[in-house]
Amino acid sequence: ETGVTQTPRHLVMGMTNKKSLKCEQHLGHNAMYWYKQSAKKPLELMFVYSLEERVENNSVPSRFSPECPNSSHLFLHLHTLQPEDSALYLCASSPRDFHYEQYFGPGTRLTVT
Amino acid sequence: GQQVMQIPQYQHVQEGEDFTTYCNSSTTLSNIQWYKQRPGGHPVFLIQLVKSGEVKKQKRLTFQFGEAKKNSSLHITATQTTDVGTYFCAGDFGNEKLTFGTGTRLTIIP
Repeated sequence: ETGVTQTPRHLVMGMTNKKSLKCEQHLGHNAMYWYKQSAKKPLELMFVYSLEERVENNSVPSRFSPECPNSSHLFLHLHTLQPEDSALYLCASSPRDFHYEQYFGPGTRLTVT
Repeated sequence: GQQVMQIPQYQHVQEGEDFTTYCNSSTTLSNIQWYKQRPGGHPVFLIQLVKSGEVKKQKRLTFQFGEAKKNSSLHITATQTTDVGTYFCAGDFGNEKLTFGTGTRLTIIP
């Protein structure tokens, strides 16, 4: 499946680093999402963009900063992360909004050292 | 807050046995979605249920939505090794996001 791609697939970063995660969807969808998946926890919604406008910011710390330049691309900018931020970060898209099925990318496995 | 409880957390079955996972909410859902995540993979959409009492089938998988739209189940008949993975339900409470359950991890004993 190549409908939603994410880069990089793996990332190791120190707490003082700045990095960005990239997501691209090739499905013509209007909504894009960032999720965090940690062990033994439900998928946590972080951000939602609909038609390039942010519609949900789920009380995410400011060290995570999203950017949606157009309906096909989504970024997650990371800075001064903590070890507890280590997780799988998943990008997803849906045709219009959350009422519709979501298509997930392969994820970025992030390790903060 | 609005939560979706999913049980069991783990299930080990012999190949060929049936498997069921349950999803429960304390409040009425607008709809519910089911996803499967293979080990090392990402969630893949399986189905969406919208109507009260709805039942949908996909080959060996049967999905049900309760009459009160507060619970749902996924039943797999005669499991195969390809069924291995974690099954998530995701509830739509009509509040601008999906709320995912904790998932049920299915392992198959050959």
